[in-house]
Amino acid sequence: KAGVTQTPRYLIKTRGQQVTLSCSPISGHRSVSWYQQTPGQGLQFLFEYFSETQRNKGNFPGRFSGRQFSNSRSEMNVSTLELGDSALYLCASSRDREQYFGPGTRLTVT
Amino acid sequence: QKEVEQNSGPLSVPEGAIASLNCTYSDRGSQSFFWYRQYSGKSPELIMSIYSNGDKEDGRFTAQLNKASQYVSLLIRDSQPSDSATYLCAVGHNTDKLIFGTGTRLQVFP
Repeated sequence: KAGVTQTPRYLIKTRGQQVTLSCSPISGHRSVSWYQQTPGQGLQFLFEYFSETQRNKGNFPGRFSGRQFSNSRSEMNVSTLELGDSALYLCASSRDREQYFGPGTRLTVT
Repeated sequence: QKEVEQNSGPLSVPEGAIASLNCTYSDRGSQSFFWYRQYSGKSPELIMSIYSNGDKEDGRFTAQLNKASQYVSLLIRDSQPSDSATYLCAVGHNTDKLIFGTGTRLQVFP
């Protein structure tokens, strides 16, 4: 069974731009969660989607948004990028509570 | 007080020894507990999940949960140099939102 896939794997953007990251969950998994990982803050929860509905949201500004499609694929968007948004963005899919992470998207904001 | 606390390490153990990793959490309503292993430059990999008090064994790994003490641990028997990684403790409530500790770096030396 294929794992979680994320695209792109690496991204370089400049301040003020926006970015869209994509995640395809494991087949049969309907829940997708997004996390931000930085050296200073560790892994922090962004939001979780289930059946196209946002079920949970972390403590991030409104510049961070997401959505889920009917095939469970998910996207997250960050608008008006700031230098502090440089991080590894991880997507995890789950069924029965266990979450499996994709390889992540490394975003660098210059 | 952090929601999920781990000693950052490094925890250094000789090859063949038992490595003991610990984690405490603050939310008494937490219901699901996970251990992830993360190699440098890679995404977290789920190695153990535990939901009820007691021990759960899987190969060389044993997870222990004590909800009264709000404590979860991971034992790695017969430690190998390939076990050298950062181990992340994650705690969930009744949703897929996971709160992660900052991780314990384990070093297994030959």
